[in-house]
Amino acid sequence: EIVLTQSPGTLSLSPGERATLSCRASESISSSYLAWYQQKPGQAPRLLVYGASSRATGIPDRFSGSESGTDFTLTISRLEPEDFAVYYCQQYGRLPLTFGGGTKVDIK
Amino acid sequence: QVQLQESGPGLVKPSQALSLTCSVSGGSINSGSYYWSWVRQPAGGGLEWIGRIYFNGYTNYDPSLKSRVTISADTSKNQFSLRLSSVTAADTAVYYCVRDVAHYYAMDVWGPGTAVTVSS
Repeated sequence: EIVLTQSPGTLSLSPGERATLSCRASESISSSYLAWYQQKPGQAPRLLVYGASSRATGIPDRFSGSESGTDFTLTISRLEPEDFAVYYCQQYGRLPLTFGGGTKVDIK
Repeated sequence: QVQLQESGPGLVKPSQALSLTCSVSGGSINSGSYYWSWVRQPAGGGLEWIGRIYFNGYTNYDPSLKSRVTISADTSKNQFSLRLSSVTAADTAVYYCVRDVAHYYAMDVWGPGTAVTVSS
């Protein structure tokens, strides 16, 4: 199975700062097959980005995704208070579908 | 607007089967545009894909669970279901039903989740 490794495990930042989250795949996958989700405590995950860089409906443009080989990045340009959460990447390149272990973005 | 809602027992005894149903409103599960998936999350843990069903009944399962999992659909009720047999404490988790968009490879609608505890 394709293993997704997210780093860092925790990112401590202040509102207004830029967040850069990484997701590395154990083997090459098409950028079409990588999605990002946000999860807040007690809530279901929410789709942020699909196809590595396409924002889902209603997602603010401060969220952006990019890809370089087997490395995928989610960037939050300026953190808003509601952005402090856990973020997961997911791949569709090959079954079984797999998720990364998550990056928690918390308030510094 | 499509909404998903999980239902089922919150407590299951070890070695028994866990059965959950996902009711879909605002859209039909009988559509070739979507898969209908189950994902679980243990307390404090990450997300784990269990499996999915397509409108034609085709299923995919995670290999680690495949021997114990069955996902089925009832198009007349617009529901799909999960059955996980021979459960242990390791199956204790929040279970989510999810709409999985076939053409852009992402899970765009999630149910609120239902907590299942395996304990005697």
